[in-house]
Amino acid sequence: DVKVTQSSRYLVKRTGEKVFLECVQDMDHENMFWYRQDPGLGLRLIYFSYDVKMKEKGDIPEGYSVSREKKERFSLILESASTNQTSMYLCASGVIRTDITEAFFGQGTRLTVV
Amino acid sequence: DQQVKQNSPSLSVQEGRISILNCDYTNSMFDYFLWYKKYPAEGPTFLISISSIKDKNEDGRFTVFLNKSAKHLSLHIVPSQPGDSAVYFCAAIGGSQGNLIFGKGTKLSVKP
Repeated sequence: DVKVTQSSRYLVKRTGEKVFLECVQDMDHENMFWYRQDPGLGLRLIYFSYDVKMKEKGDIPEGYSVSREKKERFSLILESASTNQTSMYLCASGVIRTDITEAFFGQGTRLTVV
Repeated sequence: DQQVKQNSPSLSVQEGRISILNCDYTNSMFDYFLWYKKYPAEGPTFLISISSIKDKNEDGRFTVFLNKSAKHLSLHIVPSQPGDSAVYFCAAIGGSQGNLIFGKGTKLSVKP
């Protein structure tokens, strides 16, 4: 059974704190993604990675950074949390090839910045 | 500018009938398209995908149709069930490294 695991379901952090959101997949997927979901805005891509140590900015990278030191782990870092980063954060991993294309999500992390 | 558009924010269907969810895209270079279902406070669940070299893919009650000339795809759910009530997202694979781009979603309500 495929599995993408995010380290926390719910987090509450203070403004200015450095926040780490961890995501681990057990499917040996090359591609991993971080999104945030906000009402009326759908899923917006923050960063994605297509290989170890490789990363690409998505639509809204400001205020975030990522780390992919191992294939199975993709971390999202909020350098200095702000209240406008309160959101649902979703990690996904996937494979994109000519014979198969699929991508699976973790259960999400609801982050509240106070 | 949005590359993947789901123009209907909501859709209401009677149980047993067909649900048709629509999605339009602007980039003719997209290679693959995926559909997801999402319940509140959970991660999206992958439903079905289609390659740009096909025009139809079927999996149980779910069928996705792709019209490349119109840059349009649709997800058909037959028959619709109350448990299908959720937000449905259309996504496209773009870029050389496989960026996964989403629409804003359509909320489906299936009434008993």
